[in-house]
Amino acid sequence: ETGVTQTPRHLVMGMTNKKSLKCEQHLGHNAMYWYKQSAKKPLELMFVYNFKEQTENNSVPSRFSPECPNSSHLFLHLHTLQPEDSALYLCASSRGTILSYEQYFGPGTRLTVT
Amino acid sequence: AQSVTQLDSHVSVSEGTPVLLRCNYSSSYSPSLFWYVQHPNKGLQLLLKYTSAATLVKGINGFEAEFKKSETSFHLTKPSAHMSDAAEYFCVVSEVRNQGGKLIFGQGTELSVKP
Repeated sequence: ETGVTQTPRHLVMGMTNKKSLKCEQHLGHNAMYWYKQSAKKPLELMFVYNFKEQTENNSVPSRFSPECPNSSHLFLHLHTLQPEDSALYLCASSRGTILSYEQYFGPGTRLTVT
Repeated sequence: AQSVTQLDSHVSVSEGTPVLLRCNYSSSYSPSLFWYVQHPNKGLQLLLKYTSAATLVKGINGFEAEFKKSETSFHLTKPSAHMSDAAEYFCVVSEVRNQGGKLIFGQGTELSVKP
């Protein structure tokens, strides 16, 4: 186990639903990340939080809304998604946002939008 | 801008034979480079990283990689493959910008290990 947990592990939702993904890290890290992993495509960084403040939004559509209430928890709120949003969503954490710091990844949430 | 290219989308080896996963990068700066591994239904795990110290980097599970600036390469090797090495491997380069930066992931190489 990496010390980063994600729930749920699988989620199926319709395009009109609202759901949330949750990530929790038990490593005492200050930075947390959301990535999208689609089939046959490289990992795409979505959001970065450092000390609860959002420091990066990689041109993500507004139907994805992140929330970071504290350094240990990160949420991704989903609403009116499209079928092309189906993917594996990975959460990661690191000591800080300096790029030499190792990122620790959770197992991901497999999202299917119908 | 930084970029990374994994030259093989799929590599198949027999158990006990050497593994070579190729990665080339493009960077305007002195990059940090990483290899991550992803087993089925698991998150990514760091194998090793290069951050401008020794050019030959040793990682976990017997893997190592050599940073070759002249060839802009960071190939991953292992002398003897094990069945448990079957997974997807990602080469990653750090992108440095004026404020902060981000990791750029390659498209991945799927490693199969035959008995």
